[in-house]
Amino acid sequence: AQRVTQPEKLLSVFKGAPVELKCNYSYSGSPELFWYVQYSRQRLQLLLRHISRESIKGFTADLNKGETSFHLKKPFAQEEDSAMYYCAYYNQGGKLIFGQGTELSVKP
Amino acid sequence: KAGVTQTPRYLIKTRGQQVTLSCSPISGHRSVSWYQQTPGQGLQFLFEYFSETQRNKGNFPGRFSGRQFSNSRSEMNVSTLELGDSALYLCASSLDLVFAGYTFGSGTRLTVV
Repeated sequence: AQRVTQPEKLLSVFKGAPVELKCNYSYSGSPELFWYVQYSRQRLQLLLRHISRESIKGFTADLNKGETSFHLKKPFAQEEDSAMYYCAYYNQGGKLIFGQGTELSVKP
Repeated sequence: KAGVTQTPRYLIKTRGQQVTLSCSPISGHRSVSWYQQTPGQGLQFLFEYFSETQRNKGNFPGRFSGRQFSNSRSEMNVSTLELGDSALYLCASSLDLVFAGYTFGSGTRLTVV
């Protein structure tokens, strides 16, 4: 079955430290992968699409087809990065399959 | 430009009742999907509509249904409510010309007592 796995429920780092939120998917072929972020009391919002290869708020994510991974990285974490992060895989027909989410806590 | 609007924001219903939630997508967006978010199960796909047709459905019982109108607005209905239906129900819309990611609404918080 198609599945998105985020192995860490909680990731706690200090401000200025590097961050890597892990995401693995189980699907063969050409996946469309996304990272969504949900700040406290705010709606879920799109952070990154793998296809656009962009950097948003200092975050980047590289698709590694060999390892079936799409980890989210930021070299220097900021306190305002504290949020829930969801990795998602797009299944044709309008369906996004989400991972369980990783709560990132950036401490001062 | 207005975002995805969901009404109502909060609902409290009794077991056995039925409920209808509403979603207005971003103007011009023709694809609308619904998700259930709970602490235990996370974000679960319910169904997706495009041009008034359901294209995809998640693994939810038949008590969960939806529809989309010609103006792309969508409703979802849950009949015979159970305590386990308590959740945040999220609606999302996209242009669906080339899928570039969904824009989500703030959700409707449903509590079944």
